[in-house]
Amino acid sequence: GAVVSQHPSRVICKSGTSVKIECRSLDFQATTMFWYRQFPKQSLMLMATSNEGSKATYEQGVEKDKFLINHASLTLSTLTVTSAHPEDSSFYICSARDRTLSYEQYFGPGTRLTVT
Amino acid sequence: GDSVTQMEGPVTLSEEAFLTINCTYTATGYPSLFWYVQYPGEGLQLLLKATKADDKGSNKGFEATYRKETTSFHLEKGSVQVSDSAVYFCALSGVTSGTYKYIFGTGTRLKVLA
Repeated sequence: GAVVSQHPSRVICKSGTSVKIECRSLDFQATTMFWYRQFPKQSLMLMATSNEGSKATYEQGVEKDKFLINHASLTLSTLTVTSAHPEDSSFYICSARDRTLSYEQYFGPGTRLTVT
Repeated sequence: GDSVTQMEGPVTLSEEAFLTINCTYTATGYPSLFWYVQYPGEGLQLLLKATKADDKGSNKGFEATYRKETTSFHLEKGSVQVSDSAVYFCALSGVTSGTYKYIFGTGTRLKVLA
């Protein structure tokens, strides 16, 4: 149980275009989803917290107009990187919190974004 | 604010050696503590967890005990295998403004040689 999927697993896009990454909780309802960014050989950096049906809360220094987050249902959150640039290339990981388990997050497999 | 401090890597061991990866934390209240493992190109997998003081989490031969008196959650394994080579992250979670955020350590890369 408690499986989180991400799609796509890898994406290459051209500079200036937008790309959407989906995060789904497959077998539980996720009231809260989190989006992280990970640079090579570094730890995870929390970008934003999204609660179903409300606006995402962004961490300091994360541009909300560039990284659009939507959490329209209890099983789906999306991250859209708008007008992507090469410096946005990174590994993006989502996680979801099971509403019945207070603290634990379940992580997706990650999405490798490369902007050319 | 809350924080997690993890020993610097990389850690290189021979197969069947004993492993310790240190993790200490600072937090208000009583956080839950986790160890996650990340294999190359993959997301994070929960390795073990502990939710209160003196709890011992264990899985796949790995163990860690929640020590409130020393604010530590050190990861140990008695005999490592080549397949244990990965990056290990210590994390804590508690209620912060109702968001249940995780605070991660910097990660420790483990390389096990045959």
